[in-house]
Amino acid sequence: SQQGEEDPQALSIQEGENATMNCSYKTSINNLQWYRQNSGRGLVHLILIRSNEREKHSGRLRVTLDTSKKSSSLLITASRAADTASYFCATVEYGNKLVFGAGTILRVKS
Amino acid sequence: KAGVTQTPRYLIKTRGQQVTLSCSPISGHRSVSWYQQTPGQGLQFLFEYFSETQRNKGNFPGRFSGRQFSNSRSEMNVSTLELGDSALYLCASSLIPTVDYGYTFGSGTRLTVV
Repeated sequence: SQQGEEDPQALSIQEGENATMNCSYKTSINNLQWYRQNSGRGLVHLILIRSNEREKHSGRLRVTLDTSKKSSSLLITASRAADTASYFCATVEYGNKLVFGAGTILRVKS
Repeated sequence: KAGVTQTPRYLIKTRGQQVTLSCSPISGHRSVSWYQQTPGQGLQFLFEYFSETQRNKGNFPGRFSGRQFSNSRSEMNVSTLELGDSALYLCASSLIPTVDYGYTFGSGTRLTVV
């Protein structure tokens, strides 16, 4: 089962612009994680934000978490062509089971 | 250090056959999980192993099974393949089975059932 919705489903921007992706989830969480997937390959862990955190930064990535709205957003600043990928949020259910959103396909045009 | 290694990368099988996929986790990682990714269903959890024990299983039929060896390497088996089993199968490893860390994924095995 999917955790929730990701919005938008697809995003196309120019290099240098910022990209924002949103994720909603359904259950209480300990943490929320974001992953990137390049062209049907493996997932790369980007960032993890704990339920008691509201914002976290890692390089050009900024993640926010609003537990009252059960939502999170991922901001990629100054995007590059190499950022073209699918981005997934994931929460953890009992037994260390990752539950993923449907993903956002990001295309960065150079 | 080496990442998570999945073999083979690509596989074509015929309906009714069975298939075994292999996953070698990062050295020292004892938890291995498997996921199926399809265009229709997205990423779905299959099962998780820790110290050779299956700790959790997703909503998949009994045709899907797995195991973990004493060196933490894991295999998953799908018997009596169906067309709908065509998917990217991803393996993930972590140091210990905890919710507090991200997972490291392999590049996946692309299974095509014809």
